[in-house]
Amino acid sequence: ETGVTQTPRHLVMGMTNKKSLKCEQHLGHNAMYWYKQSAKKPLELMFVYNFKEQTENNSVPSRFSPECPNSSHLFLHLHTLQPEDSALYLCASSQDMGGPSTNEKLFFGSGTQLSVL
Amino acid sequence: GQQLNQSPQSMFIQEGEDVSMNCTSSSIFNTWLWYKQDPGEGPVLLIALYKAGELTSNGRLTAQFGITRKDSFLNISASIPSDVGIYFCAGQDELSEKLVFGKGTKLTVNP
Repeated sequence: ETGVTQTPRHLVMGMTNKKSLKCEQHLGHNAMYWYKQSAKKPLELMFVYNFKEQTENNSVPSRFSPECPNSSHLFLHLHTLQPEDSALYLCASSQDMGGPSTNEKLFFGSGTQLSVL
Repeated sequence: GQQLNQSPQSMFIQEGEDVSMNCTSSSIFNTWLWYKQDPGEGPVLLIALYKAGELTSNGRLTAQFGITRKDSFLNISASIPSDVGIYFCAGQDELSEKLVFGKGTKLTVNP
């Protein structure tokens, strides 16, 4: 138990479906993140939220829509995805945002393995 | 975008052997982190390094923050089967303050 819970663990969806990924952190952290993990590629940062406000959108296509209703919950809404969007989607949290004198130790969830058919 | 060079990409070793992997960057980092990812799980933080030259251990794991602030290594001593997984380095760039991940080293330990 890492303190970051993601559901569902696995998801198969068609390109016309709409689905949502959920993340909840029980660590009292202020920052939450969505990462995409594809085979043989570095982890790709998608979105960052700090105190519920989106602070970073890493040029992510609009078919991915994040939502952060509070500091403990983060959602990723999916619609009209493409097969190349199949990947492991990881949620993470950290105490605060990284900065000149802070250190961004991330705590990851187990991920949602997404397959787009 | 900025990348870390992590090597080797994969390692196949016998139980009991020592393992060494490293990451290098073209820019200066102010933090180095080492994560391990088991199959079907998210990465778990193993060691965090904050100062150039810092050497930190966590059980059989030892990691160092390179003096140039552009590299870091992770050593695993006396490997055991449960050490299998993918090990990722990550560094916080001094200028951009962004956290950058390496591509990972996949470790296989043969009993």
